[in-house]
Amino acid sequence: SQTIHQWPATLVQPVGSPLSLECTVEGTSNPNLYWYRQAAGRGLQLLFYSVGIGQISSEVPQNLSASRPQDRQFILSSKKLLLSDSGFYLCAWSVKENTEAFFGQGTRLTVV
Amino acid sequence: KQEVTQIPAALSVPEGENLVLNCSFTDSAIYNLQWFRQDPGKGLTSLLLIQSSQREQTSGRLNASLDKSSGRSTLYIAASQPGDSATYLCAVNNQAGTALIFGKGTTLSVSS
Repeated sequence: SQTIHQWPATLVQPVGSPLSLECTVEGTSNPNLYWYRQAAGRGLQLLFYSVGIGQISSEVPQNLSASRPQDRQFILSSKKLLLSDSGFYLCAWSVKENTEAFFGQGTRLTVV
Repeated sequence: KQEVTQIPAALSVPEGENLVLNCSFTDSAIYNLQWFRQDPGKGLTSLLLIQSSQREQTSGRLNASLDKSSGRSTLYIAASQPGDSATYLCAVNNQAGTALIFGKGTTLSVSS
């Protein structure tokens, strides 16, 4: 069966520090991968998606970037965190576009 | 631009009651609609996926319906239990998009 792992579960980082969140999927090949952010009082917002290795699409301009160095690995990064980057970050995968999506357990990021 | 709305934002019911959560979307050109459950501080768990050609899907005590032409979906929970307490999220896959568009959710509290 397929599983998705995200880490760390929680993270407290100072303003201006770098960020690296990792997501891996097991049990499937060539999945579509997604990063979402959930901010308090707001719905989930799609940040990045990837349909293959090295292929990244950004949905919103921001202080963050994403990379997909391996088929089942998706990384969310920042060179310098802002207070506004605080939130709950969720990784998700699907077999292909417009199919059922499965989410990881999320990372709670607090920028102080 | 697709917008997804969930009403009510919060709901409290006694154990054993049957209840309905509502979801509406502005653009009927969707591939599918997915209902999720989110426990506090956790990731999303997929509950039901309804394809645009389907009218309803059932899983245990859950039944989700879809009326694409009117832009509405309902999630029916039968014989509610305290363990059903969570936030329920509705999301659609647009024909013109690449990933899910979410509503802000309905937070359900079931008291024993």
